[in-house]
Amino acid sequence: EDKVVQSPLSLVVHEGDTVTLNCSYEVTNFRSLLWYKQEKKAPTFLFMLTSSGIEKKSGRLSSILDKKELFSILNITATQTGDSAVYLCAVLNAGGTSYGKLTFGQGTILTVHP
Amino acid sequence: GAGVSQSPRYKVAKRGQDVALRCDPISGHVSLFWYQQALGQGPEFLTYFQNEAQLDKSGLPSDRFFAERPEGSVSTLKIQRTQQEDSAVYLCASSWSETQYFGPGTRLLVL
Repeated sequence: EDKVVQSPLSLVVHEGDTVTLNCSYEVTNFRSLLWYKQEKKAPTFLFMLTSSGIEKKSGRLSSILDKKELFSILNITATQTGDSAVYLCAVLNAGGTSYGKLTFGQGTILTVHP
Repeated sequence: GAGVSQSPRYKVAKRGQDVALRCDPISGHVSLFWYQQALGQGPEFLTYFQNEAQLDKSGLPSDRFFAERPEGSVSTLKIQRTQQEDSAVYLCASSWSETQYFGPGTRLLVL
């Protein structure tokens, strides 16, 4: 059974801090790993990672994948109160009729105080 | 362009009632997914459509759950004889490649 574990489960920081969110996975037919940000509505797409060691960046957010050690990290620098959200990690299964099925972790709740 | 839309946004049902949740995917997206998200948890896969074909329904928790996408666009998730454990947010996502785009979800509360 595919499994995704995120840590920490929750994190409280102050504006300007840098945070690192972790995601480890076990999946039978790995295709890619995705990060989403979820506020009180739809999860919004952040990154998709397919290859090891290639960092993806978008503003203050960056992410990298290690397919040998089966984990990914999401970094947020100079955090702002608007970064407060649940960050979800998911892996995409490539096998057979399950192609496209996402298995999610339980999420990391990030709270950024002013 | 318009994203994925879902309706209703909130639904309160008495135990035993049937409910129907609607998803309008992004136009042209071939793939459509339903997920269930319990409070404090990540979304869990329910079912997957490619056009009108339901290719994977392994995540549907019981035979009270039924999903359809008859014309390969709009999809409906139906839950018969709702139970309290069905209370959750039901998310729909669509895609044409590997990235899935989510709707705002329907929050279902069964009393």
